[in-house]
Amino acid sequence: GENVEQHPSTLSVQEGDSAVIKCTYSDSASNYFPWYKQELGKGPQLIIDIRSNVGEKKDQRIAVTLNKTAKHFSLHITETQPEDSAVYFCAASSNNNDMRFGAGTRLTVKP
Amino acid sequence: DVKVTQSSRYLVKRTGEKVFLECVQDMDHENMFWYRQDPGLGLRLIYFSYDVKMKEKGDIPEGYSVSREKKERFSLILESASTNQTSMYLCASSPTQGGNSPLHFGNGTRLTVT
Repeated sequence: GENVEQHPSTLSVQEGDSAVIKCTYSDSASNYFPWYKQELGKGPQLIIDIRSNVGEKKDQRIAVTLNKTAKHFSLHITETQPEDSAVYFCAASSNNNDMRFGAGTRLTVKP
Repeated sequence: DVKVTQSSRYLVKRTGEKVFLECVQDMDHENMFWYRQDPGLGLRLIYFSYDVKMKEKGDIPEGYSVSREKKERFSLILESASTNQTSMYLCASSPTQGGNSPLHFGNGTRLTVT
């Protein structure tokens, strides 16, 4: 089955700096790669996703890149703000709808 | 907005009790999922369901069962709760059968087994 690894487990940046979180996956059949943000006391919420037919996707300050050959994908947050502080999860799934998650990254943005 | 509602935010149960965790979604989604979340381990899939009365094992089904009698409701059952089942449990749903689409999560149930 799919195995998703995520790094780093914790990340601390100054407000205004960029943050990058990286994930690798094992199953070459995976074709959908979402990223979720989980704030304290809430369930994870989708912030951006990418499918295997594209290499990069951007939405304002967040972007995701995908390298299918190397089986890795990354989340980039630019101009970080304190409200970006949360736990971020990457995930991967194939057409079986069996989504598998990374272990999570706790991002802290210091004002 | 899709709403996934988990019936309890916090539960405290004793070892050996039978525990029911309930989840309801209001958007007519075909797929529903149960994950448990533990620090350093991320979200691990327990069971999922593509349709009413259908269920599939995830990665860690041992000690759990599920029930989906109605499309909008997916229940997780701990037949005999144990202390190693103390965790955060997350229910999710998604709209596409056989394809890929984002999961919509509830806010979780934090279960403590003493």
